Amino acid sequence: RKEVEQDPGPFNVPEGATVAFNCTYSNSASQSFFWYRQDCRKEPKLLMSVYSSGNEDGRFTAQLNRASQYISLLIRDSKLSDSATYLCVVLWGNTPLVFGKGTRLSVIA
Amino acid sequence: ETGVTQSPTHLIKTRGQQVTLRCSSQSGHNTVSWYQQALGQGPQFIFQYYREEENGRGNFPPRFSGLQFPNYSSELNVNALELDDSALYLCASSFDRAPPSSGANVLTFGAGSRLTVL
Repeated sequence: RKEVEQDPGPFNVPEGATVAFNCTYSNSASQSFFWYRQDCRKEPKLLMSVYSSGNEDGRFTAQLNRASQYISLLIRDSKLSDSATYLCVVLWGNTPLVFGKGTRLSVIA
Repeated sequence: ETGVTQSPTHLIKTRGQQVTLRCSSQSGHNTVSWYQQALGQGPQFIFQYYREEENGRGNFPPRFSGLQFPNYSSELNVNALELDDSALYLCASSFDRAPPSSGANVLTFGAGSRLTVL
C-alpha cells in the first residue's frame, strides 16, 4: 500500500461548482498534514495545513479523520484559477514530507 | 527577502553523463532538501542537508550525491545518468531541521530544474 494515496483525477468541474478531494495515508503515527497546490510546470506551494478540528480558509476547507486515516479538501465556488494539481502531504516524526501523486483539477468556464 | 532559486531551469543530457544542479536557499534558511518529481508523480525525497552535513536520505542510489556550502546553498550531483532520471528536480529550503508542523517552518520550493535524459 502506498504511503499516501490520492485519486489522480482529472476532476473537470464548471465554474461555481463545489469539489472535494480525498487522500488516504497508511502510517497511523502521522502527525502533520498539508495540502499543496502545484500549477502546471511550476513548483508546489503550500495551500493550507490540516488541523485535527478541521479548518477553513476562504473557499477552502480541510478536514482530518484520524480514525479512517484520510484527509479531505473541499473547494467551494470553484474559479478558473483553481485549476491545478492538489498534492496531499503527510509528515510523521522527524521524517521528510511524503507527497501523494496529486489530484488534477480543471475548472471549466 | 529572496526566495529559493535554482539553476539551470532546463537541461538535456545523454545516458551515462553527469549533471550538477544548484540551489540557493531562502534568506535565513539553513536547511536544504532535494526532491525528484517524475511526470505524473508527487515529489520524492532525495536527501536533506543541514549545516553542510547530510541529514537524511531517501531511497535513491549513491550516484545521487549532494553538497551544502557555508552560505547554505546546495548542489545535487547525479552520475551515470539513466533515462529514468528525467524529472523535475526541486530544491526546498527551511529553517533548521525541525519538521514543519501546523504551517510553521514551511518548506519553500524553488521553481525546479527540469532534466531530460536522452
